[in-house]
Amino acid sequence: QVHLVDSGGGLIRPGGSLRLSCAASGFTFSDYYMSWVRQAPGKGLEWIAYISGGGTTIYYADSVKGRFTISRDNAKNSLYLQMNSLRAEDTAVYYCARGTTNYYYYIFDAWGQGTTVNVSS
Amino acid sequence: SSELTQDPAVSVALGQTVRITCQGDSLRTYYESWYQQKPGQAPVLVIHGRTKRPSGIPARFSGSSSGDTVSLTITGAQAEDEADYYCNSRDSSGNLVDFGGGTKLTVL
Repeated sequence: QVHLVDSGGGLIRPGGSLRLSCAASGFTFSDYYMSWVRQAPGKGLEWIAYISGGGTTIYYADSVKGRFTISRDNAKNSLYLQMNSLRAEDTAVYYCARGTTNYYYYIFDAWGQGTTVNVSS
Repeated sequence: SSELTQDPAVSVALGQTVRITCQGDSLRTYYESWYQQKPGQAPVLVIHGRTKRPSGIPARFSGSSSGDTVSLTITGAQAEDEADYYCNSRDSSGNLVDFGGGTKLTVL
């Protein structure tokens, strides 16, 4: 079955960098869009980036544009999020999620368990 | 900020019917999905494409729409349905993705 395993979170100082990973299994990884979604403590879900199956289409939320980079390695069935210039407000649980999409919708139909990023001095 | 608006909290008596709504202009063009999230767990897709239920989601969950407002209805709410519920859709540009602020459902 579909399985997504997030990793790479931790405690990081403001201004620092961190790279998150998501290992996928149970489906043809390259056939699917993938996203990162985060959830700050006690807050709601926030989509932050997605990447198409071949990696040619990428979009970011304004809150992370220019600081975060989403990428994927289809040979390794892995998704990544490079986070630079981290701020306290980036503190959250970060989920990778598989996307099923067309013009009319973007559905998150499978989720990782999440990895926690804590930005604090 | 989100273009999708949800009521922060809703309550329902055990076994009764509850409707959770999500409002936004983008919903006139794009289809929504609904997610259930229990404390400490990842979200789970419960409804997509207005009315479709993924495999394993109970039939008491259903979706509907009217204009710029979409709804998730739970008919005969169970104690295990107590959770946060989020809607999502493409944003008005069509390129980005948006979540509603979430609705905390309490089953009394």
